[in-house]
Amino acid sequence: QSALTQPASVSGSPGQSITISCTGTSSDVGGYDYVSWYQQHPDKAPKLLIYDVTNRPSGISNRFSGSKSGNTASLTISGLLTEDEGIYFCCSHTYGGTGVFGGVFGGGTKLTVL
Amino acid sequence: QVQLVQSGAEVKKPGSSVKVSCKASGGSFSSYSLSWVRQAPGQGLEWMGGIIPIFGTTHYAQKFQGRVTITADESTSTAYMELSSLRSEDTAVYYCARSFGDYQYMDVWGRGTTVNVSS
Repeated sequence: QSALTQPASVSGSPGQSITISCTGTSSDVGGYDYVSWYQQHPDKAPKLLIYDVTNRPSGISNRFSGSKSGNTASLTISGLLTEDEGIYFCCSHTYGGTGVFGGVFGGGTKLTVL
Repeated sequence: QVQLVQSGAEVKKPGSSVKVSCKASGGSFSSYSLSWVRQAPGQGLEWMGGIIPIFGTTHYAQKFQGRVTITADESTSTAYMELSSLRSEDTAVYYCARSFGDYQYMDVWGRGTTVNVSS
């Protein structure tokens, strides 16, 4: 269960849009529509932003959207706000065979709003 | 709205074990799965394993197999994560998180329990 691959950092100006990629394999991202995204601020627990690739939980702004193509999922944040600064993690359901399954995270992407 | 309340910080010696608890309040416990995720200082999130209380089944990441045990007590809506043979690299914040289905996503998180492994 290798970690999913995310860029270490991205940046954007207020009002702009950014996209964070998350690349896995056919055993995780490519094999299931169970990709989720989390936002984490310093010394806080992660917060669910997107689940099942494209769905937003109640209370999450529609500025956050998710998509997937093949083994790569993406999170897009539009209309950047300074409060969007933080670290973003993707996560996918994974199946390693012989009944071993669970979750695997990406390494995290630090978003800076300039 | 369900909340997950975790036990307090721990300081452990290398080679020992730690057991962290996670109590659910204000909502259903058995209808969901429960994941344990850790985060070493300055590092990313790492899924360790989980439990589906209604079935009593547990699943562990390969990295932790043989060293982690996850249990749940439905009568008290409390889950536990025990990690043995601790080493300095296990120093981290350990989170429990309510999960949907087969750990498809984690929608409610505890505040985390800091475990410091030091001689």
